[in-house]
Amino acid sequence: QQQVKQSPQSLIVQKGGISIINCAYENTAFDYFPWYQQFPGKGPALLIAIRPDVSEKKEGRFTISFNKSAKQFSLHIMDSQPGDSATYFCAASPYGGATNKLIFGTGTLLAVQP
Amino acid sequence: DTEVTQTPKHLVMGMTNKKSLKCEQHMGHRAMYWYKQKAKKPPELMFVYSYEKLSINESVPSRFSPECPNSSLLNLHLHALQPEDSALYLCASSPGRPVKGNEQFFGPGTRLTVL
Repeated sequence: QQQVKQSPQSLIVQKGGISIINCAYENTAFDYFPWYQQFPGKGPALLIAIRPDVSEKKEGRFTISFNKSAKQFSLHIMDSQPGDSATYFCAASPYGGATNKLIFGTGTLLAVQP
Repeated sequence: DTEVTQTPKHLVMGMTNKKSLKCEQHMGHRAMYWYKQKAKKPPELMFVYSYEKLSINESVPSRFSPECPNSSLLNLHLHALQPEDSALYLCASSPGRPVKGNEQFFGPGTRLTVL
């Protein structure tokens, strides 16, 4: 119940295309869903996050879609660029606690080809 | 300042050495975290400090000893490590107050190699 399942494990997209990464969870206590972007040798950077009171959140080229009934959420990267090539982790936790644990997905290695 | 800093960037140590990793943030966050990350894996939580008190220890071996001297600083003391402890060690911080949520911000990490 504590797991967050992430797919695909790796993804190759052409420049200008749409990258889509999916995550699914079981624990209904989860109500905060961030995405992190990590470049090799660097720490994860918070990219965008969503709470279940909305079904979609957009920030620039990055959009989170959220389906509460299916317990699924996804990251869409529009107009993908070579600079987006990185590993992406979804995560989930309960919201509102002082130190809630983030449960991470297994990660998706994205390669955007020029 | 919206940054979490970590020193050193790289560390090589023998199994008998004692060393420390340091983490600092000046965002006024009251929760700080240590994570361990192996290659191609997600970060794995080790310790959580809330208001300078240890609140979560994920059954980490005693050769890892955390310390939170004040609300801005977090240390991880290392002693008698094993080669399998080689990893990227990440520090993170979050507001630590329920109304602010749980946005965790990560530092760049310390790449640790144990020989």
